[in-house]
Amino acid sequence: AQKITQTQPGMFVQEKEAVTLDCTYDTSDPSYGLFWYKQPSSGEMIFLIYQGSYDQQNATEGRYSLNFQKARKSANLVISASQLGDSAMYFCAMREGRGGSYIPTFGRGTSLIVHP
Amino acid sequence: DAGVIQSPRHEVTEMGQEVTLRCKPISGHDSLFWYRQTMMRGLELLIYFNNNVPIDDSGMPEDRFSAKMPNASFSTLKIQPSEPRDSAVYFCAIHRDQGRVTGELFFGEGSRLTVL
Repeated sequence: AQKITQTQPGMFVQEKEAVTLDCTYDTSDPSYGLFWYKQPSSGEMIFLIYQGSYDQQNATEGRYSLNFQKARKSANLVISASQLGDSAMYFCAMREGRGGSYIPTFGRGTSLIVHP
Repeated sequence: DAGVIQSPRHEVTEMGQEVTLRCKPISGHDSLFWYRQTMMRGLELLIYFNNNVPIDDSGMPEDRFSAKMPNASFSTLKIQPSEPRDSAVYFCAIHRDQGRVTGELFFGEGSRLTVL
């Protein structure tokens, strides 16, 4: 079974609008971490935002926020006020377990295109 | 600053040739990871090292693949002999041991391998 599911292969958004990228996860571990990474066309993977399973509040980093719904096992990324430079692949990832092991499992990604 | 330098950035070789990919973490870390990215399989973990010791190589496709980390500043991924199905982007990533609890990885820019 897939641990991370990203159901949207591609998304389009108008510049300056908000967009939500979906991510659902599967784990029986009570302690886990959820991540979003951005991969622009240049190829590098860039860490965007983190949410711990015990965090009470949704994580935010500038224009990025993570809509964490623990009961639904979803961790959607919300990008507010989209910019042309946001066009990229976005990957959701999960790390299970406490400390020690930092191995994340990645989803297949969502391609976001921001239109002017 | 991702803190990871990979070389070569692009490699084109013929089937049967030996390929060596290099990774130089330029900042402190406790773990180093090798990933492979393809359209078909997404981002796959090949092997990871913790304090220079290989911990889990279950993702290495077969005996043609080998990885070493002789010191904290250098790691190699070798494919011998290479096959067309090895064509992919290979990423090296590190986890920085700076008291961080989030566990995000910092990626190099990747090595794009094409095996003809």
